[in-house]
Amino acid sequence: EAQVTQNPRYLITVTGKKLTVTCSQNMNHEYMSWYRQDPGLGLRQIYYSMNVEVTDKGDVPEGYKVSRKEKRNFPLILESPSPNQTSLYFCASSLGVGQGGGELFFGEGSRLTVL
Amino acid sequence: DAKTTQPPSMDCAEGRAANLPCNHSTISGNEYVYWYRQIHSQGPQYIIHGLKNNETNEMASLIITEDRKSSTLILPHATLRDTAVYYCIVRVGVSYNTDKLIFGTGTRLQVFP
Repeated sequence: EAQVTQNPRYLITVTGKKLTVTCSQNMNHEYMSWYRQDPGLGLRQIYYSMNVEVTDKGDVPEGYKVSRKEKRNFPLILESPSPNQTSLYFCASSLGVGQGGGELFFGEGSRLTVL
Repeated sequence: DAKTTQPPSMDCAEGRAANLPCNHSTISGNEYVYWYRQIHSQGPQYIIHGLKNNETNEMASLIITEDRKSSTLILPHATLRDTAVYYCIVRVGVSYNTDKLIFGTGTRLQVFP
């Protein structure tokens, strides 16, 4: 089954404790991306990757890091989380080429709370 | 620098057509229009996309104006399950140097009995 898998789905952590949210897709997609969603602000793009070893900033990259060492995985790293990073996070992937990049497949979301 | 603008909310009676507008006046010639919807806090779900021509699938129809500066998503017979936030985005894909996507806040569609 084609899917994007995020882990963990729920996490409560404390300020400054490094954490990684993993994202994996099984569709051989070139494009992967991370979004955060906060009440009233819609979906905002954090980082995206157009292929292995190619990443770029979205609209709200501050406080986050990403890596794309292999095609299927695109982890989101919070080196020193702060309370303003409390949010619902979504990972998504798509083919990337043709038809404007193809439809985005989204993960189920990871709800992160930073105390 | 929003690429699309949508009304924040709309209502629709169950069984009637829901017409959701989207303005993308700065769209470039190689950008596609994509529509997604999000039910509660689930991951957004793809609905339909198009470049120039009108498109239809089992979920919806997409009408793109001739100048491509706006589009309308049509849910022909809205049901209560169509209550969601609908996002319109424009996208060119990774064939070019950037594939930054701006979703905005979308349109909250409320379907009522």
